[in-house]
Amino acid sequence: DIVMTQSPDSLAVSLGERATINCKSSQSVLHSSNSKTYLAWYQQKPGQPPKLLIYWASTRESGVPDRFSGSGSGTDFTLTISSLQAEDVAVYYCQQHYTTPLTFGGGTKVEIK
Amino acid sequence: EVQLVESGGGLVQTGGSLRLSCAASGFSLSDYSMKWVRQAPGKGLEWVSYISSTSSTVYYADSVKGRFTVSRDNAKNSLFLQMNNLRADDTAVYYCARGYGSASFLINLWGQGTLVTVSS
Repeated sequence: DIVMTQSPDSLAVSLGERATINCKSSQSVLHSSNSKTYLAWYQQKPGQPPKLLIYWASTRESGVPDRFSGSGSGTDFTLTISSLQAEDVAVYYCQQHYTTPLTFGGGTKVEIK
Repeated sequence: EVQLVESGGGLVQTGGSLRLSCAASGFSLSDYSMKWVRQAPGKGLEWVSYISSTSSTVYYADSVKGRFTVSRDNAKNSLFLQMNNLRADDTAVYYCARGYGSASFLINLWGQGTLVTVSS
């Protein structure tokens, strides 16, 4: 199984400041046949289902604000919120969509400082 | 409106069974792979099952293999999860989720979830 490890578990960031969340996979999620990296990021607000933010490691889902960006390759990935807004308070999860079992990181809780 | 609506959750005793349903609207279920993902109270996300658009391929997490069965009825735009021999650690909100295309492992649409509580 591919183990997804997120860090930190939580972080508090001032409004307008940058938030950075890390995700590491236990093996590469780069598919050699199409050179795509099978890593996604989701946002989950309290009482709501998750929402897809980023897929293919860096492709923003339609309608997602451009302050959200994904980067990384191979086994190390980052989700960056360039200027934190109040509505960004949530738990963020990474997920590998490369193979089954599909696996998620443990989540990172983002709060306002 | 494109949406997924789960139903069938509730309180069940250890060893009992439940059948979850997921009704899709606003799109044709037959065009998409589907998944079930669960979330125990206060915990993270755990993938449970995957079924391809034609039901030709199904996968299960080891934790539910042999106890849960996923199925779909594309004509009725519905997805199902039959859960047998339920255990306390199956207690969770169960989400129905849609993929990108017929065989994708990505999830781009989630239902609101249905709560399953397993208690002795």
